[in-house]
Amino acid sequence: AQSVTQLGSHVSVSEGALVLLRCNYSSSVPPYLFWYVQYPNQGLQLLLKYTTGATLVKGINGFEAEFKKSETSFHLTKPSAHMSDAAEYFCAVSDGGPGYSTLTFGKGTMLLVSP
Amino acid sequence: GAGVSQSPSNKVTEKGKDVELRCDPISGHTALYWYRQSLGQGLEFLIYFQGNSAPDKSGLPSDRFSAERTGGSVSTLTIQRTQQEDSAVYLCASSLSGGSSYNEQFFGPGTRLTVL
Repeated sequence: AQSVTQLGSHVSVSEGALVLLRCNYSSSVPPYLFWYVQYPNQGLQLLLKYTTGATLVKGINGFEAEFKKSETSFHLTKPSAHMSDAAEYFCAVSDGGPGYSTLTFGKGTMLLVSP
Repeated sequence: GAGVSQSPSNKVTEKGKDVELRCDPISGHTALYWYRQSLGQGLEFLIYFQGNSAPDKSGLPSDRFSAERTGGSVSTLTIQRTQQEDSAVYLCASSLSGGSSYNEQFFGPGTRLTVL
């Protein structure tokens, strides 16, 4: 089974500072990797995904992530944090069985942005 | 277009009662998933439907949990004899097909279940 580790349950940054949220995965097969964001009392929204091809993936709201196979990592970054980025972020890896996929999530990282 | 909807948004029940949680997926999505989000366990997969059949029920935590899907659309998650540890947010997601990891899963807003 696949697994995902997110380092840091909470990350605090100042507005305008770099955002770095860490994600490491364990997978026995080439992984498909995802970052989701959850705003308070809302469902999950896909930020970006890596399937195949270019290892630097760009998503919505200025976020991007780089797949590094040698480090089994898929860290999420944004050059300049905005107050509206405050939310919980989940890294996920595709899992499942023959002919279907489900998602295995990390524990989540709460991003706090201060003015 | 409409996204995934879930009802009720909040449910408070007493220990030992049965509850039903409903999910309406995006029209045309054949794959449907239930996940549970709790403080101690994070986000956990519960069950996957392809059409009306459930090829993967491996995440259901006990036989008190069951789910069905009718007409390839609406799904109901039933928890019998609820326990306090069942308190969580239950999330439903749907995708075009479960057969490809490329297919984005679209999530509903969830049902917050509180068992007193």
